[in-house]
Amino acid sequence: LAKTTQPISMDSYEGQEVNITCSHNNIATNDYITWYQQFPSQGPRFIIQGYKTKVTNEVASLFIPADRKSSTLSLPRVSLSDTAVYYCLVGPYSGAGSYQLTFGKGTKLSVIP
Amino acid sequence: GAVVSQHPSRVICKSGTSVKIECRSLDFQATTMFWYRQFPKQSLMLMATSNEGSKATYEQGVEKDKFLINHASLTLSTLTVTSAHPEDSSFYICSARVGRGNPEAFFGQGTRLTVV
Repeated sequence: LAKTTQPISMDSYEGQEVNITCSHNNIATNDYITWYQQFPSQGPRFIIQGYKTKVTNEVASLFIPADRKSSTLSLPRVSLSDTAVYYCLVGPYSGAGSYQLTFGKGTKLSVIP
Repeated sequence: GAVVSQHPSRVICKSGTSVKIECRSLDFQATTMFWYRQFPKQSLMLMATSNEGSKATYEQGVEKDKFLINHASLTLSTLTVTSAHPEDSSFYICSARVGRGNPEAFFGQGTRLTVV
């Protein structure tokens, strides 16, 4: 599995756009990039997944450069409720039910009023 | 989205006793479920992969005789912490995937185990 590196923590003011970058230099051809969000004492929640270029959903955008060695999760206009730990995962799965997820250390995002 | 329910959400037990944690997929069938453990301020660590109708696969360093996993049906997996010790106190989380082209993994709300 490709190893991921993220900043340990980030601070942002409410209403700002937040970009969290994840490095995955050893990403394999069949690997996808997935981001999860975790609030204290809760299970993680899926945010977004992508393979290349840009993916956008109602919650976030995911930017993946052509070499796929990094990715950036973009959260538009964050609010206090976005304070959480964000995990970047890389693995050879896309809809495979039996493949497990391996979590790195994650990025603790603190949104300040 | 799909729902994974975990029970109990919080449990306190005495050293030496056993505790069972249930993980249910409420609106889908899961042939595979995953059990994680998370210590304070740390990431999730995969403990084992639970397979319906067969033995679980444990990660290196996880004692299979201490953490008993049973996946007797397509919607239920259980984790039993046997002879619990204070160092087993942790946040245990299960997850399952719908599969069939859906990349999302669904997680239970977690179980906070405190061994006193």
